[in-house]
Amino acid sequence: QKEVEQDPGPLSVPEGAIVSLNCTYSNSAFQYFMWYRQYSRKGPELLMYTYSSGNKEDGRFTAQVDKSSKYISLFIRDSQPSDSATYLCAMSAGSSASKIIFGSGTRLSIRP
Amino acid sequence: NAGVTQTPKFQVLKTGQSMTLQCAQDMNHEYMSWYRQDPGMGLRLIHYSVGAGITDQGEVPNGYNVSRSTTEDFPLRLLSAAPSQTSVYFCASSYGGDYGYTFGSGTRLTVV
Repeated sequence: QKEVEQDPGPLSVPEGAIVSLNCTYSNSAFQYFMWYRQYSRKGPELLMYTYSSGNKEDGRFTAQVDKSSKYISLFIRDSQPSDSATYLCAMSAGSSASKIIFGSGTRLSIRP
Repeated sequence: NAGVTQTPKFQVLKTGQSMTLQCAQDMNHEYMSWYRQDPGMGLRLIHYSVGAGITDQGEVPNGYNVSRSTTEDFPLRLLSAAPSQTSVYFCASSYGGDYGYTFGSGTRLTVV
């Protein structure tokens, strides 16, 4: 079993819809949770970063962490065609030499 | 400010050949990592470094070597290329391993 599981999609929604992307994990030591966005043939870029449980909002993006369920989510409001990309969740345990483990990514397409 | 620079962008190798993928960052980041990305597998950690002179293995280190003689550079060496090493390779750097990485644009490697 992988430490981090993510539905690969693809997920296709109409412009303006609310998008929900999710990951589950098995390692209860994970404390730092990240979402990356990757456009085709580009490197991943950090989108959201959260520590421990709770919510974090940045513009149209909201990240949620539920450590009791080992479940994290990314919500995109008022989705735009420019949001079409692959979204990767990532997490680490938080030691000084910690390693970041990535999910396999969800491919998202926003239809105009 | 160039960020993370990877060279070359594309490379074709014959089985058994060796080569070095270059990675340089100008942000004075202590943490650097190498990932490979394969379809459906997400990003898998090959090797990482928490500072000059310090390296450690990730999830898939076999067939690869690294060294970190300076803060800026973190080259990845393929010792004897195999078709299984056909992949997209990303180098990334961070102030601290838990705070998310800045990624390079990737090297697309094909081994025939």
